[in-house]
Amino acid sequence: ETGVTQSPTHLIKTRGQQVTLRCSSQSGHNTVSWYQQALGQGPQFIFQYYREEENGRGNFPPRFSGLQFPNYSSELNVNALELDDSALYLCASSFEYRGNTEAFFGQGTRLTVV
Amino acid sequence: KQEVTQIPAALSVPEGENLVLNCSFTDSAIYNLQWFRQDPGKGLTSLLLIQSSQREQTSGRLNASLDKSSGRSTLYIAASQPGDSATYLCAVRNAGNMLTFGGGTRLMVKP
Repeated sequence: ETGVTQSPTHLIKTRGQQVTLRCSSQSGHNTVSWYQQALGQGPQFIFQYYREEENGRGNFPPRFSGLQFPNYSSELNVNALELDDSALYLCASSFEYRGNTEAFFGQGTRLTVV
Repeated sequence: KQEVTQIPAALSVPEGENLVLNCSFTDSAIYNLQWFRQDPGKGLTSLLLIQSSQREQTSGRLNASLDKSSGRSTLYIAASQPGDSATYLCAVRNAGNMLTFGGGTRLMVKP
C-alpha cells in the first residue's frame, strides 16, 4: 500500500464530454504528478503540482488541467474528450526536496472514451 | 530531451533462473532512477530507488545498478518465481522533477 488513492477506478465517457479524476496524496507529501499510460506503453508525464501551483507540464494540450488543494489532494480535468484519451491515468505523490525523492503511485483510473 | 529505452520488451524464463533487465537513458544529468513493477491494469509499485550518487541498491532478490556516465541501469532478479511475472518499468528524474519512463519489459516466469 502506497497511501495514494485514486477515484474512480474505472470510467466510461462519450467523446466530447468532460471528466474529473481525483487523487489523494500520501500523508506528508507536498507534490502530486499526473501521468497518462496508453496500453502497452510507459507512462507519459502530464503535469505536476507543488504547493497548489503547477510546477511543470508535459506535452499535453490545455484541455488537460488540474488542481491541488491545501490538503495536497488533487484533480485532473479533461475537457472535450477524444477517443485517444482512453488510457490509464496515474497519480504520483512525493515529498519534493532538491529532486532527491521517491515517487509513490496510486492504482490508477482506467478511462474509456467511446 | 530525455529518452529512456528498455531491452528486452518481453522476456519469458523458467522458474529459478537469474535474469537481467536493461534500461538506458540519453541524458546523464539525472537526480535519480526508479524501478517499478506493474501488474496488468494496476498502478506502479516502487521497487528500488537509486540516487545519482549511488552505484547500486538491493532489496531482497532484487539488485539495481546505475552507471550514470554511460546512461545505463540494470535490474537483476535472482531465483525468479512465477509471482515475479509483471511489467517492469524504469524511470529517470531530471531537473523539472518529472519522471521519464521507458516502455517497460514484460516478464513471464513459467513454473
